[in-house]
Amino acid sequence: NAGVTQTPKFRVLKTGQSMTLLCAQDMNHEYMYWYRQDPGMGLRLIHYSVGEGTTAKGEVPDGYNVSRLKKQNFLLGLESAAPSQTSVYFCASSPGLEAFFGQGTRLTVV
Amino acid sequence: ILNVEQSPQSLHVQEGDSTNFTCSFPSSNFYALHWYRWETAKSPEALFVMTLNGDEKKKGRISATLNTKEGYSYLYIKGSQPEDSATYLCALDNTDKLIFGTGTRLQVFP
Repeated sequence: NAGVTQTPKFRVLKTGQSMTLLCAQDMNHEYMYWYRQDPGMGLRLIHYSVGEGTTAKGEVPDGYNVSRLKKQNFLLGLESAAPSQTSVYFCASSPGLEAFFGQGTRLTVV
Repeated sequence: ILNVEQSPQSLHVQEGDSTNFTCSFPSSNFYALHWYRWETAKSPEALFVMTLNGDEKKKGRISATLNTKEGYSYLYIKGSQPEDSATYLCALDNTDKLIFGTGTRLQVFP
């Protein structure tokens, strides 16, 4: 009964390094989302996908790329990390109504 | 850009008080309005998803109403308890994107 699983849970990066965050869901949901959470800002949508092979930009897409090669996985990439990308990242999936969230990834860029 | 606004930003109430929060959103391109409860150190969990103008939903002491014509939703908590302390998020669903407000942080004192 995994639901939505994010990997890793914590990470510290140096400025300029790259990394990929993985979101995996086992509920056969079509919709998947990546959000970032910053103090006082709520959840801001980075990118989203409405089905396998599709991706689209959200509210704050700059500095991030995504891929959805398989329906169950949604990858978020940082090509060259910046301190402004220090945040908690949440992935969510949805069958079309309520969204189910992962446990979050705390990323610090130094 | 879809602008979802919530008020108040934070709220402190005594145990037993009833309270309510507001979510306002643009009424064009509306598909659904979501409410989520987000406890500290956990992931957001869905409370309600409402799609029709005039919808009212209830779960225990928590209820919500929806007015799509004027673009607002209210969340009510009757007889607040300390375990109701959390951030309450609303989100506008326009069929592919799910855009969140910044949330109302509720603290209930015993």
